Formats: sequence, C-alpha cells, structure tokens
Amino acid sequence: DQQVKQNSPSLSVQEGRISILNCDYTNSMFDYFLWYKKYPAEGPTFLISISSIKDKNEDGRFTVFLNKSAKHLSLHIVPSQPGDSAVYFCAAYRDSWGKLQFGAGTQVVVTP
Amino acid sequence: NAGVTQTPKFRVLKTGQSMTLLCAQDMNHEYMYWYRQDPGMGLRLIHYSVGEGTTAKGEVPDGYNVSRLKKQNFLLGLESAAPSQTSVYFCASSSKPDRPTYEQYFGPGTRLTVT
Repeated sequence: DQQVKQNSPSLSVQEGRISILNCDYTNSMFDYFLWYKKYPAEGPTFLISISSIKDKNEDGRFTVFLNKSAKHLSLHIVPSQPGDSAVYFCAAYRDSWGKLQFGAGTQVVVTP
Repeated sequence: NAGVTQTPKFRVLKTGQSMTLLCAQDMNHEYMYWYRQDPGMGLRLIHYSVGEGTTAKGEVPDGYNVSRLKKQNFLLGLESAAPSQTSVYFCASSSKPDRPTYEQYFGPGTRLTVT
C-alpha cells in the first residue's frame, strides 16, 4: 500500500527551463514532507522540506508547494541545470519514531 | 567526518548463503535505519533502531535481522539469502526526530545480487 506516490517515473527538461515534480499522498496524518535527490551509485541527500502548516518553502532554485486539501505537493526547480539530473524522491514523515515513507522516485534529465 | 559509511559496496551471494552488511555513522545519531531500493518501489524500510540495544521492524522485515550493539553501528544480516533479496541496501541515521528537522543522512549503498 503505497501511501506516497510519484506517478511520473521520468521527466526531461531543457537547461534553463522549469522542472516540476509531483507527489501525491493518501495518509492525512503525514505532517512533514521532504524531497531527496539521488545520483547514481550514491545515497540520497536531503534537498528541501515543508511542514504541513505551510504551503510553500523556498531554498534558492528549489521551491516546494503543499496543497493539503488535495494531498499533493510539488517541487519546482528554476532554472534547471545539468547538475540537477538525478532521481528525486518525495518522502512523508509518519509517527514519532522518525520513519519516512518514500515515493518511487522521478528521474530528471536536464538536456542542454 | 565520514558521515554514514557502508561495507561492503558490492556483493554477490548464492541462494542460501548468509552475510552481514555493516553500517557506521560518526554523527552521534540516536536513530539508524536500513532500507532497500528496488526499481519502481522507492525506498522501503526494513528495520530501524531508536538507540543502542534497540531494534524494530519496518515495512519489509522478513528474511532480515539486525543488531545495534554500539551506538555508531547498525548491522543487517541475511541468514539465508534468496533471489528476492537482490537489491540496493541503504543505511541512514538521524538525530532524534523533532521539528523542524526530520532529515535522515544516507550511506552510499550496498548493491547485493543473489543468484
């Protein structure tokens, strides 16, 4: 039962344009959401997060938007750069034991 | 400061063999986790630990055992490997989860193939 879903397995975008990654969740008890970035042969690294009490969080070129009523969040990367080519995982925080529920990931390819 | 390290990086096992994956962290984190990553499945939690001497089951614990004898180390054991355990295994650690930080720090992964 996947409670966090990333329905787009891949995304191709031109350098300089906007990348929009989407994530949907089913459990209304999630109250914190994170995005991780993963390069091949490396572990995931934290990118940006958002609390459920907010609807937007920005960090440089990365912005995460949260729509609680729709149980949907998105990650915007503007402008996209070749170094952004990676797999992006959406994750949702559940319960007090610090467990994260991950989506399946979206492979982003930024082309020149 | 090495962060989270994993040993070995690659391993090939025959069905029925056993092995132990070692995870070490030097950030004095209380919490440690073992995940597996399979195509189209994201990362799934196998076991986790909230402190030295404690372990608990995650989403997919069957066929695995863990131990946390020292705070900095978290071991994942496969007693009798099966082809279904072919995967990439990631260890992660974190401080006690508290707002605003729920970040987990990941190791580089161990690619395991069971033939």
